[in-house]
Amino acid sequence: DSGVTQTPKHLITATGQRVTLRCSPRSGDLSVYWYQQSLDQGLQFLIQYYNGEERAKGNILERFSAQQFPDLHSELNLSSLELGDSALYFCASSVTAFQETQYFGPGTRLLVL
Amino acid sequence: AQKITQTQPGMFVQEKEAVTLDCTYDTSDPSYGLFWYKQPSSGEMIFLIYQGSYDQQNATEGRYSLNFQKARKSANLVISASQLGDSAMYFCAMRETSGSRLTFGEGTQLTVNP
Repeated sequence: DSGVTQTPKHLITATGQRVTLRCSPRSGDLSVYWYQQSLDQGLQFLIQYYNGEERAKGNILERFSAQQFPDLHSELNLSSLELGDSALYFCASSVTAFQETQYFGPGTRLLVL
Repeated sequence: AQKITQTQPGMFVQEKEAVTLDCTYDTSDPSYGLFWYKQPSSGEMIFLIYQGSYDQQNATEGRYSLNFQKARKSANLVISASQLGDSAMYFCAMRETSGSRLTFGEGTQLTVNP
């Protein structure tokens, strides 16, 4: 158990809908990262927050947004969902924003029908 | 741009034998970190081992060791005394000092046979 929690574990929804994925980092970790794992794209970095502020942005679609709250938990919002958004979404955390190990949560498996 | 290459889509090993999973990388940043993660069929990503670009010695963590050859830009994972529970997908990843993100390879599916 990495200490990173993600809810829900599974999510099934329809095209055009909006969902929110939630992540709680390990105790003491200030940085949260979101990654998407799909069959065609592999594992891709989406976005990073550090102590409530957006730190880095990757291949995140405009339909997706994220935030980190004062208690350091983070939410990833996916809207106007398309079939291609079906993937495993991981949250990871680390103590700071710098070069150190990122510990991953169990992931949220999203299926868009 | 940084890039990770894992050329072995699948590997097979007999239980109790050692296996090497290959990883090569490309970066222009002189300072970077290399990571290996394990993803079992249940889906979670488990951190295994880390190697910094300036580390003088190869990293080891229990049965895992990292064969780091900086000049060849390779960071191969060696698993000794394979166990059935080692059957999983293994990902090599890199993080440059100048950035925050991990860049992952495509992974190697390891199967340990009894």
